[in-house]
Amino acid sequence: AAGVIQSPRHLIKEKRETATLKCYPIPRHDTVYWYQQGPGQDPQFLISFYEKMQSDKGSIPDRFSAQQFSDYHSELNMSSLELGDSALYFCASSPPAGSSGNTIYFGEGSWLTVV
Amino acid sequence: DAKTTQPPSMDCAEGRAANLPCNHSTISGNEYVYWYRQIHSQGPQYIIHGLKNNETNEMASLIITEDRKSSTLILPHATLRDTAVYYCIVRVDQGGSEKLVFGKGTKLTVNP
Repeated sequence: AAGVIQSPRHLIKEKRETATLKCYPIPRHDTVYWYQQGPGQDPQFLISFYEKMQSDKGSIPDRFSAQQFSDYHSELNMSSLELGDSALYFCASSPPAGSSGNTIYFGEGSWLTVV
Repeated sequence: DAKTTQPPSMDCAEGRAANLPCNHSTISGNEYVYWYRQIHSQGPQYIIHGLKNNETNEMASLIITEDRKSSTLILPHATLRDTAVYYCIVRVDQGGSEKLVFGKGTKLTVNP
């Protein structure tokens, strides 16, 4: 079965640079979530989108922005990168309301290293 | 903040059942109990969820107490590949886009 696809899987950027992570949800899923997991930490919720509109916001820095496009894929844009942004970034998706449960499924993550 | 409490670590012998407890004493009537696991640096993997009845699937069983204040995830025959961090999460599941809030989880180590 198709899963959540994230790209790139690994990314190395320098401080103050910009990075963009992409997420392709499971087909027919309309909600996308972004999480950040620092070294030795638990996943922390950043932001979510439902039907291309922001639906919830967590501890996402102002330097970060995200959006969901008409094909439901999502992009997380991170600017003025700091060393502390080095983390594993997960995207997840869930199906529309009324479908067989709205369980959230995660991608394999994108490793961002800021040097 | 996470609404669940789990032991930080547990050990289990390969082939034996692993029973992972979770306390969620403030759970609301419309909140489900979800279990995910994360094998080192991989994406969290959905295991099972339930509201008040016990649930079983090909991966595990979920036992929820009658008062719903605690639950136990059971891996009936643990293998080395079940070594992971297991997260118990309560979440509203009424067709909305409610996020998952991860707590500290239980680091399960399956020993040969």
